[in-house]
Amino acid sequence: SQQGEEDPQALSIQEGENATMNCSYKTSINNLQWYRQNSGRGLVHLILIRSNEREKHSGRLRVTLDTSKKSSSLLITASRAADTASYFCATSQGAQKLVFGQGTRLTINP
Amino acid sequence: ETGVTQTPRHLVMGMTNKKSLKCEQHLGHNAMYWYKQSAKKPLELMFVYSLEERVENNSVPSRFSPECPNSSHLFLHLHTLQPEDSALYLCASSQGQGSYGYTFGSGTRLTVV
Repeated sequence: SQQGEEDPQALSIQEGENATMNCSYKTSINNLQWYRQNSGRGLVHLILIRSNEREKHSGRLRVTLDTSKKSSSLLITASRAADTASYFCATSQGAQKLVFGQGTRLTINP
Repeated sequence: ETGVTQTPRHLVMGMTNKKSLKCEQHLGHNAMYWYKQSAKKPLELMFVYSLEERVENNSVPSRFSPECPNSSHLFLHLHTLQPEDSALYLCASSQGQGSYGYTFGSGTRLTVV
């Protein structure tokens, strides 16, 4: 069954603006991960946040996790054309497999 | 390169053909996965191998047959496929099944004609 659901399904912004994507999930988790996929390619792991963490940063990426609301957000600051891709959240319940959402398609316009 | 290599990158096969997809990782990971990605659908987990043993088979039709001869290699054998099996097939590996990030290969774009 699908665990993570991303919102919005598609997002189009101007280069330099910030992009925010959200992920909601249904059951308790051990960690939540974000991945990026360029068209027709494999997924690339971006960041992992554990259930006891509330916020993590990696370069221009900022991820938050609210376990009480069962939601997470991915913020990309100062977006670039190269950030155009699909972004997926995935959840893990302990030593269980990852379950992926349907993704958000992000387009950065020059 | 991510450390997970998939071959071939593209494959066109007829419904009566037999072909195999190959995945190789040299990251020292102990779990490997096959995912199917179709247009406008979430990633579908097909098979999970942990320590070379199949630990999950998500109701995948028998025309897909996985093989994991050692911890570095994973195959997906295909036979008598249907046009709806056309998709991007992704291999991934990880250390443990969910505690760390997955490393994906670039995928095999399969077209069944």
